[in-house]
Amino acid sequence: DTAVSQTPKYLVTQMGNDKSIKCEQNLGHDTMYWYKQDSKKFLKIMFSYNNKELIINETVPNRFSPKSPDKAHLNLHINSLELGDSAVYFCASSQVQGTYEQYFGPGTRLTVT
Amino acid sequence: SQKIEQNSEALNIQEGKTATLTCNYTNYSPAYLQWYRQDPGRGPVFLLLIRENEKEKRKERLKVTFDTTLKQSLFHITASQPADSATYLCALEASRTGTASKLTFGTGTRLQVTL
Repeated sequence: DTAVSQTPKYLVTQMGNDKSIKCEQNLGHDTMYWYKQDSKKFLKIMFSYNNKELIINETVPNRFSPKSPDKAHLNLHINSLELGDSAVYFCASSQVQGTYEQYFGPGTRLTVT
Repeated sequence: SQKIEQNSEALNIQEGKTATLTCNYTNYSPAYLQWYRQDPGRGPVFLLLIRENEKEKRKERLKVTFDTTLKQSLFHITASQPADSATYLCALEASRTGTASKLTFGTGTRLQVTL
C-alpha cells in the first residue's frame, strides 16, 4: 500500500499552460507539504497544510496555488507555466508529534518546454 | 543568510569501511536535525532525528552526532554496503509548531560504496 502517492509521475507541457499535480496520503497524518527540487537537487519547501489550513507559505510566485480538499489530499495548481518551473515536485506528510518525520511521495517531474 | 553545507562532491568508499558525511550550518540555531536518504528517481526517506540537547543518536549501523558549538552534524554508516549508495540529505528545523515542521535541507552528499 502506497503511503504518499502523487499523480502524474511525469508532466511535460508548454510555457503558458496551466497544470495540476495531485497528492494523497493514507497515513492518517494531519500535515502535508509541497517541495520543489531543482536541477541541482536542492530541495526547498513551498507550502504546508494542516487539516486543510495553510500553515507555511514560502516565497513562491502566486502562480502556484495549493488546495487541500481534506486532510488526506493536497493538490498543487500552477498557472502560466514558465521554463524555470521545470523541476521535481515532492509531496510529503507528517504527524505533529514525536519526531515529526516527513514521508515523501515519489515525486512529479515537471518539464516545461 | 542561513546556509547549510554538505560535501558537494561524491564520497567513494570501499565496502566494509565507515562512511562519514558532514553537515555544517551557519546563521542558524536548529532545535532539531534530521537525516534523510534519497535514491535516484525517488523521494527522500527519513533515517534519524537528533535534538539540540543530544550529542549522539544511533540506529543499527547509523550514528549521528550534533555539535551546536561547531554548528556541525556528522552522519556515520559503519560496515558500509553497496546498498548504502545513495544521496544523504541533512535537514534543519529552527522550530516546530503544533501543526507543522519547517525543514531546511542541505544540498546532499552522494555516497558510492564499492566492492
